[in-house]
Amino acid sequence: EVQLVETGGGLIQPGGSLRLSCAASGFTVSSNYMSWVRQAPGKGLEWVSVIYSGGSTYYADSVKGRFTISRDNSKNTLYLQMNSLRAEDTAVYYCARDNSSSGYFNYWGQGTLVTVSS
Amino acid sequence: DIQMTQSPSTLSASVGDRVTITCRASQSISSWLAWYQQKPGKAPKLLIYKASSLESGVPSRFSGSGSGTEFTLTISSLQPDDFATYYCQQYNSYLWALTFGGGTKVEIK
Repeated sequence: EVQLVETGGGLIQPGGSLRLSCAASGFTVSSNYMSWVRQAPGKGLEWVSVIYSGGSTYYADSVKGRFTISRDNSKNTLYLQMNSLRAEDTAVYYCARDNSSSGYFNYWGQGTLVTVSS
Repeated sequence: DIQMTQSPSTLSASVGDRVTITCRASQSISSWLAWYQQKPGKAPKLLIYKASSLESGVPSRFSGSGSGTEFTLTISSLQPDDFATYYCQQYNSYLWALTFGGGTKVEIK
C-alpha cells in the first residue's frame, strides 16, 4: 500500500528555517516525480516544487531561491528545506506522488502545518 | 504562469442533482487537466486526469470534458459523500509551473 507521511511542521519566526520530511512506503521515491503542494489556511492549493526521478528540480516563483527539494534514496524520503520564511509561507504542506510523470498527483500525504509568525 | 479560473466559487445543490463545474485556462493546455475533490482537513483526492479519464476507484457519476481552454466536471447525481470542494489543475508543463483553480465548494441546499 502506498503511504506518504509528512513531518517537520511547526511554529517558526519570520526569517527562520525549517525542513519538512515525507517518508514514503509502498513505492520507491527515486523512481517517481515527487512534489510539494501547499495550502494556506482557508485558501486554495499551490504547487511548490518537484524533483524528477532523474534528479532535476523545479520551483514556483514564490519560493525560488528560498526552498530546496531533495530526497534520500536510502531512507526513501523526500525533503523540503525552507529558508528565509515569510508569513505568506504559512500553510499545510503536502507531499504528492506523480505516478505517471505527467504533472498530476494520485497519492498525497496527510499534510504538515507550517506557521510563520513572531 | 497559466491562470486557472473556476466557476462558480460556491454551488448549493441537493442530493440527486446534476452538478457542473467549469474551469477556464488563460491559454491552451490541450487536455492536460486534472480534477480533485477535497474534504475539510483532508488531502485532495484525484478524480479525473487528462481532462476526461476517470481515476481508478472513482465512481462513474463523475465525468470530465473539454480541451484547450475550457473544461467541465460533471457529477451526474449528487450523493451525500460528494459535498466537498473541487479543484482543477493544469499540468501543461512543470517548467512553467503547475497551477490550480481557486476551488468550487459544493454545499447542501
